[in-house]
Amino acid sequence: DVKVTQSSRYLVKRTGEKVFLECVQDMDHENMFWYRQDPGLGLRLIYFSYDVKMKEKGDIPEGYSVSREKKERFSLILESASTNQTSMYLCASREASGSGTDTQYFGPGTRLTVL
Amino acid sequence: GNSVTQMEGPVTLSEEAFLTINCTYTATGYPSLFWYVQYPGEGLQLLLKATKADDKGSNKGFEATYRKETTSFHLEKGSVQVSDSAVYFCALTTNAGGTSYGKLTFGQGTILTVHP
Repeated sequence: DVKVTQSSRYLVKRTGEKVFLECVQDMDHENMFWYRQDPGLGLRLIYFSYDVKMKEKGDIPEGYSVSREKKERFSLILESASTNQTSMYLCASREASGSGTDTQYFGPGTRLTVL
Repeated sequence: GNSVTQMEGPVTLSEEAFLTINCTYTATGYPSLFWYVQYPGEGLQLLLKATKADDKGSNKGFEATYRKETTSFHLEKGSVQVSDSAVYFCALTTNAGGTSYGKLTFGQGTILTVHP
C-alpha cells in the first residue's frame, strides 16, 4: 500500500514565524502536491512538483514556497506565517503522468493554527 | 479552466436511507472523474473513479456514472450506514497537452451525517 506521511498532525505557530511542513511518500512517485483545505472551499492546490528540484505554482502559491531535494520528500514552507494561513494542509503523491494511473494518494493532513 | 460543483450540504440521513450527492463539472480536455472520502480526523481516500464516458465507478456500495452529455458524476448509495458519515469530495483531472501532471480540481465537499 502507498503510504504518505506528514510530520505533524497539529501545529501551533505565531505570526511571523517560519514554518516547515514535511511530507514523505514511500512509493517512488514522481509527482507530489500540497493542498490546503478550508470549509466551503474544498481543496486548493498550493504547489506541486513533478521531479526532484522541479516545482510549479498551483492556484494559491502566495505566501508559500516548497522544496524537493529528494524524490520521496516534499516540504512546504511558510516564510512568514500569517493568521490567514490557519488551515488544514494535505500532501499527496502519484505516479508520473502517462504511467496509466492517475490516482493521488493523500497524507493524514496537518492542522496548522497561526496565532 | 476546470471547475467542479457539488451539491451544498450538510446532508443528514437515517441509516438505510438512499444517498445522492450531485456533482457537475466543466473541463478543458477529456477529464477523469473521482470521488474522494475523508473520514473524521483523516486524510482523503479514493472512493471510486471513472476515466471515460458511461464508465461506472463503484466501491463499498457506492456508485457513480460518468455522464458526458450532462457533465455529471453523481454519487449514490442504496442504503447508508452510520460508518459512512464523512466528507465527500468530487474531483477531476485532465491531461490536456500532457503538462497537467495530474493536478486535481476539487469540489467544495459535502458533509454527510448518518444517524442510527
